[in-house]
Amino acid sequence: AQSVTQLGSHVSVSEGALVLLRCNYSSSVPPYLFWYVQYPNQGLQLLLKYTSAATLVKGINGFEAEFKKSETSFHLTKPSAHMSDAAEYFCAVSSDSGYALNFGKGTSLLVTP
Amino acid sequence: EAGVTQSPTHLIKTRGQQATLRCSPISGHTSVYWYQQALGLGLQFLLWYDEGEERNRGNFPPRFSGRQFPNYSSELNVNALELEDSALYLCASSLVPDLGNTIYFGEGSWLTVV
Repeated sequence: AQSVTQLGSHVSVSEGALVLLRCNYSSSVPPYLFWYVQYPNQGLQLLLKYTSAATLVKGINGFEAEFKKSETSFHLTKPSAHMSDAAEYFCAVSSDSGYALNFGKGTSLLVTP
Repeated sequence: EAGVTQSPTHLIKTRGQQATLRCSPISGHTSVYWYQQALGLGLQFLLWYDEGEERNRGNFPPRFSGRQFPNYSSELNVNALELEDSALYLCASSLVPDLGNTIYFGEGSWLTVV
């Protein structure tokens, strides 16, 4: 079954520092991978998705992610963190049973001044 | 264009009661998904409806059920509520189901069981 594992339930970075949120996937078929962000008391918003076109995917708010098949990874990065980036980030993969997504447990990003 | 809308925003129920949550998908979207986000458990897939039919369900007991109406809106029913059902319930929608389709989420309904 398709699944994702997010390494690190909490990540703290300084404002202006590099953001790196890790996601590894397990899939028996070429996966479709997603990153969503959840701000406090809100639903999830799509940041970016990989659908087998380009391996480097650019998303909203300056985020990007690179699909690495050899490492089964889809890590999310942003060169310079802003205070407004503080949120919960979820990696997800298309399920192999229907079209729902299987989500990781999330990584809470804290940005300090 | 309106996004996915959910109601109520908050709901408080007593153990053993039934809860009904409602969802309106984005106009033109035929698929509706329900997820449970309980503290510490991440997002767990509950149900998927498309064209009025239940297409798939997650690993939840039968007391979690729902339906999709002809206008593609949906409701989630939780019977015989238990304390551990307290969670944020998220509804999402997508166009005709296809791998790689983006699913769009609503802001959720908070269910508290006391």
